Amino acid sequence: GAVVSQHPSWVICKSGTSVKIECRSLDFQATTMFWYRQFPKQSLMLMATSNEGSKATYEQGVEKDKFLINHASLTLSTLTVTSAHPEDSSFYICSAPRSEGHIYGYTFGSGTRLTVV
Amino acid sequence: GQNIDQPTEMTATEGAIVQINCTYQTSGFNGLFWYQQHAGEAPTFLSYNVLDGLEEKGRFSSFLSRSKGYSYLLLKELQMKDSASYLCAPSDSNYQLIWGAGTKLIIKP
Repeated sequence: GAVVSQHPSWVICKSGTSVKIECRSLDFQATTMFWYRQFPKQSLMLMATSNEGSKATYEQGVEKDKFLINHASLTLSTLTVTSAHPEDSSFYICSAPRSEGHIYGYTFGSGTRLTVV
Repeated sequence: GQNIDQPTEMTATEGAIVQINCTYQTSGFNGLFWYQQHAGEAPTFLSYNVLDGLEEKGRFSSFLSRSKGYSYLLLKELQMKDSASYLCAPSDSNYQLIWGAGTKLIIKP
């Protein structure tokens, strides 16, 4: 089945540094990638939608200069958290939609637990 | 607006049956997904309904009524490993999933 590999699984960084999270589609082409953030006991919050070869679309309230998204190829999308602060500590998850005939679904990466100290 | 309504938490006994209800309002509708999410992990797919009725898949079944904006997930023969959050996620007219906070299911021996 379709697999999205997300790395790293967890990362601890110092305030002010940047962290890059990668999501790779291993056996299908992901023209679109959704990036979510989830705080403890809360719902998944869509941050942005990346499309291969074009600029990402950010949800209201999400700073595009802070959360840099690059979708350079059909198999790789990256999210870079720049100048990270403790309030950026969260669980970040990517998800790629896919379709098989008339059925469509979403494949999730395994998530990245970011802790900013 | 778009919103999802699910119970925050439910408790059930190992071996029993539990039904998790979900009501939703979306701008357009392209089916409804149920996902399971264990703490600290990404959601995993359980079921997808686009037509009214019941979809059965092993111990899990999901029901949809589009006219009522209602769905439920039925879990049978509960096992301890079923303790997790269950997320009801309808898909809107843009094929974007709308997420609620989910239902935390606690299974007791």
